[in-house]
Amino acid sequence: AQTVTQSQPEMSVQEAETVTLSCTYDTSESDYYLFWYKQPPSRQMILVIRQEAYKQQNATENRFSVNFQKAAKSFSLKISDSQLGDAAMYFCAYYTGNQFYFGTGTSLTVIP
Amino acid sequence: ETGVTQTPRHLVMGMTNKKSLKCEQHLGHNAMYWYKQSAKKPLELMFVYSLEERVENNSVPSRFSPECPNSSHLFLHLHTLQPEDSALYLCASSQDGTGHTGELFFGEGSRLTVL
Repeated sequence: AQTVTQSQPEMSVQEAETVTLSCTYDTSESDYYLFWYKQPPSRQMILVIRQEAYKQQNATENRFSVNFQKAAKSFSLKISDSQLGDAAMYFCAYYTGNQFYFGTGTSLTVIP
Repeated sequence: ETGVTQTPRHLVMGMTNKKSLKCEQHLGHNAMYWYKQSAKKPLELMFVYSLEERVENNSVPSRFSPECPNSSHLFLHLHTLQPEDSALYLCASSQDGTGHTGELFFGEGSRLTVL
């Protein structure tokens, strides 16, 4: 079965500091995509970053980067220089064969 | 308007009521989804419409009835719901087919409370 595990229900970070959110997934597929989505309170979920499994290079989007370890089936999100606007629920997701699988989310608090 | 819009944003209904959730996407996508979001659970896929045909329903109870009249509109008709159906219902869209990279575009959700 395809599953996505986020072991940190809640995390907090000081403003301007760096935080890493963890995600592991289970799959027998070789071709897939991985995503981190952000859901601010009462606002829509938006894509933060995407990683294609066939690419060895870790994806980066400004202050957001991932550590993709394909053999370990690990896909962590690093947020650098955290800002108050980064406070949200973060969902790790896996996509293959027209199917999406989401984790249970990590609630990130940014402390001023 | 742009993106994916959902109405109503909040809905309170009794177990005997009939109501509908509406979703509209302005992105030119050809696939639309209903997800159920409950606290401390992964998003649950309820229905997928690709090119206006339903391709997935994941054994959702019949008290939830989807309708997709065209590629831009998606409805979720609700009747005789249970209190455990209280949740945030998310609509999403994507571009299916060759080159699909899996990105979903979400609406803000409809918060449903069943009394």
